[in-house]
Amino acid sequence: NAGVTQTPKFRVLKTGQSMTLLCAQDMNHEYMYWYRQDPGMGLRLIHYSVGEGTTAKGEVPDGYNVSRLKKQNFLLGLESAAPSQTSVYFCASSRNLRVWETQYFGPGTRLLVL
Amino acid sequence: ELKVEQNPLFLSMQEGKNYTIYCNYSTTSDRLYWYRQDPGKSLESLFVLLSNGAVKQEGRLMASLDTKARLSTLHITAAVHDLSATYFCAVDATYSGAGSYQLTFGKGTKLSVIP
Repeated sequence: NAGVTQTPKFRVLKTGQSMTLLCAQDMNHEYMYWYRQDPGMGLRLIHYSVGEGTTAKGEVPDGYNVSRLKKQNFLLGLESAAPSQTSVYFCASSRNLRVWETQYFGPGTRLLVL
Repeated sequence: ELKVEQNPLFLSMQEGKNYTIYCNYSTTSDRLYWYRQDPGKSLESLFVLLSNGAVKQEGRLMASLDTKARLSTLHITAAVHDLSATYFCAVDATYSGAGSYQLTFGKGTKLSVIP
């Protein structure tokens, strides 16, 4: 099993450009999450999904959109990138947080917006 | 709003010493997670603590949870260089009204173990 994979690993954007980050998991997990990690801030939840076709806002959703058309994939979109969106983005998935399940994280995508 | 505070944020310790990292949170929760992150890497799950008084140990690391005090501790015994990493605690945000299936993370404790 590959676990949680993210594409791309690194990207440089100019202000105003758009892009999509892809997260894929092969563990048949119901729940998927997108976080951003900034220095000294820990991880902050952007959006999450509790199942195929569903999405919900997290702590810092502004400037991002997401889609979960297939159970195994969770896409994070930036419609008009801003320098404030320079960050490391982590995707995670979990089977069920109502039991003793943890979240499994992908390797991260480093995004630099100039 | 759920707040999760870790301290210290930076910790430098010598090999062989013991130390404790603290994680305080602001609202009721009975589920707490500890993760480890190596520089430039992803997060790796260490412990899941599910109830008051829960204690889990793996090697030189031991985690505990006191839900009444809203406190979790990560105790390091006889530190070795390989434990150098950033450690995060995360709390289930369900009871804070933020909705289920969400974790709120602390800012992390960067641990450096010096030979």
